[in-house]
Amino acid sequence: QVHLEESGGGVVQPGKSLRLSCTASGFRFDHYAMHWVRQAPGKGLEWVAVISFDGAHKYSAESVKGRFTVSRDDAKNTVFLQMNNLTVEDTAVYFCARPLLPTAISCFDSWGQGTLVTVAS
Amino acid sequence: EIVMTQSPATLSVSPGERATLSCRASQSVSKNLAWYQQTPGQSPRLLIRGTSTRAADVAARFSGSGSGTEFNLTITNLQSEDFAVYFCQQYNAWPETFGPGTKVEMK
Repeated sequence: QVHLEESGGGVVQPGKSLRLSCTASGFRFDHYAMHWVRQAPGKGLEWVAVISFDGAHKYSAESVKGRFTVSRDDAKNTVFLQMNNLTVEDTAVYFCARPLLPTAISCFDSWGQGTLVTVAS
Repeated sequence: EIVMTQSPATLSVSPGERATLSCRASQSVSKNLAWYQQTPGQSPRLLIRGTSTRAADVAARFSGSGSGTEFNLTITNLQSEDFAVYFCQQYNAWPETFGPGTKVEMK
């Protein structure tokens, strides 16, 4: 079955960088766009970024634009989120999510367990 | 972007009762509306897609309705495992946006 596993979270100082990874299994990874969604402590869900199935198109939320970059390595079935110039407002659990429909705007039918990023001095 | 709102923020319900959760979009999302359930410490779980289609392995006591800008999630005969936070999400337009959630708690 579909399995997504995030890694790379941790505690980091404001202004520093962190790279998250999400390794997938159980489906044709290279057929699917992949998303990152975050959830600040005790808060709701915020969509962060998406990369198309072929890596040709990447979009991110206004709140992270210019600081976060999404990429993928299909040989490793892995999607990455490079987070630069982190602020305390970026503190959240970061989930990767697979869309129900591979290449279109869609809801998300599979989620990883999430990785916690804490930005603090 | 399309702004999603949910009401109420918290709903207190007794086991066995019915709960109705509301979700509103700032503009029409047609029927491209999903509902997710999240229990503490867990990732969200897709319950409903396309406004009213239950996802795989979702119990029949969960049902969705609505269209355009007004949507409801109804849970009948609430079970202990249904006490959770529920989020709606529109996927009619990019970026896909979520509502702030409704917490269903035990009365």
